[in-house]
Amino acid sequence: DVKVTQSSRYLVKRTGEKVFLECVQDMDHENMFWYRQDPGLGLRLIYFSYDVKMKEKGDIPEGYSVSREKKERFSLILESASTNQTSMYLCASRIRATYNEQFFGPGTRLTVL
Amino acid sequence: AQSVTQLDSQVPVFEEAPVELRCNYSSSVSVYLFWYVQYPNQGLQLLLKYLSGSTLVKGINGFEAEFNKSQTSFHLRKPSVHISDTAEYFCAVSESTGNQFYFGTGTSLTVIP
Repeated sequence: DVKVTQSSRYLVKRTGEKVFLECVQDMDHENMFWYRQDPGLGLRLIYFSYDVKMKEKGDIPEGYSVSREKKERFSLILESASTNQTSMYLCASRIRATYNEQFFGPGTRLTVL
Repeated sequence: AQSVTQLDSQVPVFEEAPVELRCNYSSSVSVYLFWYVQYPNQGLQLLLKYLSGSTLVKGINGFEAEFNKSQTSFHLRKPSVHISDTAEYFCAVSESTGNQFYFGTGTSLTVIP
């Protein structure tokens, strides 16, 4: 079974802090994704990476950056956390090819005070 | 741009009754279609997917969905729901070109005993 793990289930940070969210997958998937999920808005894509050191902006990249130094790990960075970044963050991975489904991690609920 | 519409944000239904969750999409290219389920405080789990072939696809937990190309729809159905089906359901579309998934805003299914 594919396993996607996220470093924290719950995280509380203060405004202005630098925040790192880590995601690891164990199935050698090329593609990895970061979403944020908010009530009534569904899932919105922040960034995705189609291979190591490759990244593309999604629909809402402002205030975020990413890093993919190794194939299994995809990190989301909030350079200076703000209260409007309080949300559920979901990581996903997929074998390359658009017909393949994405596999999701359990999510990190981030609260910025 | 691709868009995915889930018309019903909340669907209450009595236990053992049938249910249909609606999903419409807009795309000018070939698409692959997915339904995901999210139980409280968990990540998304694939229910079923349509890639090609028969327009009726069966998934886990007794769910099925029908692809209708002329109506650009992919509605999810279950003939008899159980309490354990209470969850958030997301429709997603992947285009044959490009890397992204496009998610609907979700439908919250509540099964009433």
